[in-house]
Amino acid sequence: EAQVTQNPRYLITVTGKKLTVTCSQNMNHEYMSWYRQDPGLGLRQIYYSMNVEVTDKGDVPEGYKVSRKEKRNFPLILESPSPNQTSLYFCASSVVGVASYGYTFGSGTRLTVV
Amino acid sequence: AQSVSQHNHHVILSEAASLELGCNYSYGGTVNLFWYVQYPGQHLQLLLKYFSGDPLVKGIKGFEAEFIKSKFSFNLRKPSVQWSDTAEYFCAVFLNAGGTSYGKLTFGQGTILTVHP
Repeated sequence: EAQVTQNPRYLITVTGKKLTVTCSQNMNHEYMSWYRQDPGLGLRQIYYSMNVEVTDKGDVPEGYKVSRKEKRNFPLILESPSPNQTSLYFCASSVVGVASYGYTFGSGTRLTVV
Repeated sequence: AQSVSQHNHHVILSEAASLELGCNYSYGGTVNLFWYVQYPGQHLQLLLKYFSGDPLVKGIKGFEAEFIKSKFSFNLRKPSVQWSDTAEYFCAVFLNAGGTSYGKLTFGQGTILTVHP
C-alpha cells in the first residue's frame, strides 16, 4: 500500500531533550515536506526537500532541522524542544510536479513539550 | 508572499443543507488549487484539485469547487451535506511559477464543518 509513515504518533517530552520524528514513504517520491498544524493557523511548512541531499526552509523553520540522506526518509529533528513546538506535525510527499498531484500525507505526530 | 484565506472558522449545518466554504488567495500569477479534508483524528486527504480548463471541478464524495480567477477565489460546495461530512476543510494553493515543479502548498487556516443529524 502506498503510504507515508510517521513515527511516533504521540510523543510527550521535556524541554531541551533532543528528539527525532521519522518519516518514510514507499512511493519513490522526490519531494517531501514537514508541516505543523496549529488551531486557527492551518498548516505551516517547516522544511521541504526536492530530492536526496536537497533541502530548504519553509515558513517556520526555527528550532527544527531535517536531513535527506535517502530518498524514502525525511526525519524531523528538534535539537532542543520548547513548549511552543507543541503541535501536530505532518510529513507529506509528492512526485515531481507537486502541483499535478498534491501531497500524500502521513497520519501525523502529536508532540507535547512540557 | 502568497497567502490563502478561508473566511469561516466554524460552520454548523443540519443534514441535507447546502454547503459553501469560501477560499481566497493572494497571488496574481498562475496557481494550482486544492481542497483537502481532515476527518477527526486523521490525516489530510485530497478532495479535489484545479490546474486549468473547466473552472468547475468535481471531486470525491459529491464535492465540487469553482475557480473564479477575477475574484481570486476557489470556493468549495456540496448541494446536500451528510453527518459523515463533519471534518475540517483546508484550501491550499501552489504557486506555479514558470513551470517550476518544486516548492510548497500554502494552506488556509481551515474551516471546521459540523453537520448535525
